Amino acid sequence: GENVEQHPSTLSVQEGDSAVIKCTYSDSASNYFPWYKQELGKRPQLIIDIRSNVGEKKDQRIAVTLNKTAKHFSLHITETQPEDSAVYFCAANSGYSTLTFGKGTMLLVSP
Amino acid sequence: GAGVSQSPSNKVTEKGKDVELRCDPISGHTALYWYRQSLGQGLEFLIYFQGNSAPDKSGLPSDRFSAERTGGSVSTLTIQRTQQEDSAVYLCASSLESPSVNTEAFFGQGTRLTVV
Repeated sequence: GENVEQHPSTLSVQEGDSAVIKCTYSDSASNYFPWYKQELGKRPQLIIDIRSNVGEKKDQRIAVTLNKTAKHFSLHITETQPEDSAVYFCAANSGYSTLTFGKGTMLLVSP
Repeated sequence: GAGVSQSPSNKVTEKGKDVELRCDPISGHTALYWYRQSLGQGLEFLIYFQGNSAPDKSGLPSDRFSAERTGGSVSTLTIQRTQQEDSAVYLCASSLESPSVNTEAFFGQGTRLTVV
C-alpha cells in the first residue's frame, strides 16, 4: 500500500515569510496529490491538489510542486498571514484505492 | 444536504460497550472513507467504500471494528467492546468518484469518541 511521509511536523514563521511543507510517497502508481488544511476544531478542507500529469500548480499565494521521479511533492505558501495558521495534511492515492494522508504539519504564523 | 453529516458529534461510552457512528455522505457521491484522528495526530485510514465494489478494509485496526454502507449511501462504523485507546475523532469523507478519477474529498465534522 501507499506510504506518505510529511515534514516538518511543526513549522513556525513570521508573517510575510514563505512556508514550505514536503511530502514523499512510495507508490509509483499514485496520480493524485491533494493538500488539506485543518483549522483548530474544524474539519479538513481541500486547499489545492495536483495530478501527475503536471509538475506545478498555483492558486494565489499557494502552490504545489510534484517530482514524480523522486516521488515527492511540496506545498509552498508565500506571504504568510496569521490566518494561515493550521495543520496541513498532504495525501496521495494508490490506484483505485483510497487516499493515504501524511501525519500533518502544524504551521504557526506569528504577527 | 449541503455536506457530509456525521452523528453523534460527541459520544462518551464506558469501556467494553459497543458504539455505532453514522455518516451521511453528499448525495450522489460513490466514494466514502472513514479515518481516525487521535489528539494531535494525523488521519489514520480505516476503511474505504467505492460504489458496489468490495470495501478496502485494510486500515481497520482490529476485528472489533466493522463498517457497512447500505444502499450506497449511509455508512455506519461499529466498534465492539470499546477500549480506551479507541478514544479519538472519527472522520468520514465522501467524494464523487474514486481519488484516481475525481478530486475533492469532503469531510464531515467528525464524531469525538471518548471511552471511559
